[in-house]
Amino acid sequence: EVVLTQSPGTLALSPGDSATLSCRASQPITNNLLAWYQHKPGQAPRLLIYGASSRALGIPDRFSGSGSGTDFTLTIRSLDPDDFAVYYCQQCDASSLITFGQGTKVEF
Amino acid sequence: LQLDESGPRLVRPSETLSVTCTVSGASIGSMSSYWGWIRQAPGRGLEWIGSIYYSGTTYYNPSVNSRVTISADMSRNQFYLRLTSVTAADTAIYYCAGDQFRNAWYKSWGQGTLVTVSS
Repeated sequence: EVVLTQSPGTLALSPGDSATLSCRASQPITNNLLAWYQHKPGQAPRLLIYGASSRALGIPDRFSGSGSGTDFTLTIRSLDPDDFAVYYCQQCDASSLITFGQGTKVEF
Repeated sequence: LQLDESGPRLVRPSETLSVTCTVSGASIGSMSSYWGWIRQAPGRGLEWIGSIYYSGTTYYNPSVNSRVTISADMSRNQFYLRLTSVTAADTAIYYCAGDQFRNAWYKSWGQGTLVTVSS
């Protein structure tokens, strides 16, 4: 099983700041099959980034993903008040098994 | 694409948890469509339970593999989660989700349904 470790656990920032969220895998992720989600209480998770760096439809360009192998990053440029949420990375391995990271909370 | 979860909100320990996902806006049997179940226990993160592909192929999280079955009914455009021998640790919000192109992530999600395991 591929274990994803996200850091930091919590990020305390203000609107207008930039956020850098890290996701490290216990083994290389093949074909960059890594995604990022935003999750707010009482709502469904929202796909932000897929394939490590491609933005999902309708996602603002202040969200960007990068990385390969075992180290991946989600960057949020100029935080909007609507961006305060929990962010999860997620991978799919060669056996088609999916795992999520434990999440990073971006709070004001 | 819309997904809606339904099922009992309360299940007794040792019994079977069953949740239905009704999909509208796409056929669950259409080529290259992929569907899954994910849960979130109170105060915890997201946990993938398993997936079912348009072909009927299934994959399960090893942590629940012995207790879980995911199935689908193409005629109803629904897919199902069945989890046996539940305990309080199975109390969670259960989400169904899907993607019409890849098996590796989920673009569309239901709103989730809270299932509580308690006597």
